[in-house]
Order: sequence, then structure tokens, then C-alpha cells
Amino acid sequence: SQELEQSPQSLIVQEGKNLTINCTSSKTLYGLYWYKQKYGEGLIFLMMLQKGGEEKSHEKITAKLDEKKQQSSLHITASQPSHAGIYLCGADLGPSGTYKYIFGTGTRLKVLA
Amino acid sequence: GAVVSQHPSWVICKSGTSVKIECRSLDFQATTMFWYRQFPKQSLMLMATSNEGSKATYEQGVEKDKFLINHASLTLSTLTVTSAHPEDSSFYICSPRDRSSYGYTFGSGTRLTVV
Repeated sequence: SQELEQSPQSLIVQEGKNLTINCTSSKTLYGLYWYKQKYGEGLIFLMMLQKGGEEKSHEKITAKLDEKKQQSSLHITASQPSHAGIYLCGADLGPSGTYKYIFGTGTRLKVLA
Repeated sequence: GAVVSQHPSWVICKSGTSVKIECRSLDFQATTMFWYRQFPKQSLMLMATSNEGSKATYEQGVEKDKFLINHASLTLSTLTVTSAHPEDSSFYICSPRDRSSYGYTFGSGTRLTVV
């Protein structure tokens, strides 16, 4: 069973529009990460969140982690075609690098010019 | 820091042959190695976890005799796909970790195509 659920599964937006992707776990997470990827290519690390209530921003992307550390959102402001790709959340299920690390179900984003 | 080298980046092999994928941590010692597989339009699924010097732990549904993992040293782990079949065609990514590293040490991936 997938322990990290992402929504929506896919998203098509017009260039310039804002969008939000969610990542939800039934368990408390020790670290939550966001990546961007194209199938068959490596992962591009976007952001890491570790504290409940934490929020980080980079350029037009903002990621938040809720207080319970079970849900995260990734928000893109004024989307551009360059934002298109697969967005994955990933999470540490334990307090160190030796614990299992899993990925969310993925969100495929397409931005129409 | 946290430089990871994964080879080959892509490979095409005939059905029935075996393919070995290498993953090296170049500037740190990886006490743990995660191997993932990704099919088109799907996310990355954890296949197995290995700790240096011990047998790998496989996730449910992953055949340990088909996907042989060797983690003989702290800087090298290999994944061997034995008797590969077209359904094994996928994208494989490794992730070496030490006790203090977190989720952004990944190999660049290997695209395997079995014909």
C-alpha cells in the first residue's frame, strides 16, 4: 500500500495560474522532501521540511509542512511551462538515514503556454 | 558533499540475460542503500534496503532471487537484474545514505530496456 498519497494525480493549468499539490501521510514523518522529475531522468531536489509548521520558498515555489508533520503542500505561483514535470514528495519514516525512505504517488503537471 | 555515481545511465539487453547496475557514494560512507524502481507514469517504488555487510531487505512483491543486491562495501552497492524480461524494463535509482544524511542523495538513475 502507498503510504504517501499525492493529489491531484495530474494537473493541467494555463501559464500564469497558481497551483497546489498535496502530499498526505497517515503517519508522522521525520522529514518531507519535494522533488521534480521527468520520467527516466534523475530527481531534482526542491525543498526539505523537517519541523511542524515549517514553510520554505524558492523562487515561485513554496512548500509547507503541517504541525502534525503528516501533510505537506507545494504551491507554485504564476506557473510557467518550465514548471512542467512530475512532482514527487518523499519522506523519511525514521529519525536517521537508515530508516525507510519512500515517495508519494506523484503529480504530473502540464503548463499550457 | 554527497556525490553519488550510478552506472550505467542506460542499458539495453536481450531477454534472459543479466544486467548489473552500480551505485557508488564518492565522498561519504553509505551504511544504508535504497534501491527504487520507476515504471512510466508511476512514482518511485522502494524495492529493497540494504545495510553494509548484511543481506538486503526486500519490499513485498519484489523477488529477491531476481533482483540481487550486493552491498559489500561502504562505497559500493550493486543491483543485478537476473534473467531479465521485457517487464523488467524500468528506471532504477539508488540512494546511498549514512546515518546523518537525509533524503537528497540519489543516483542519476539507470534506464533499463529489455528486448
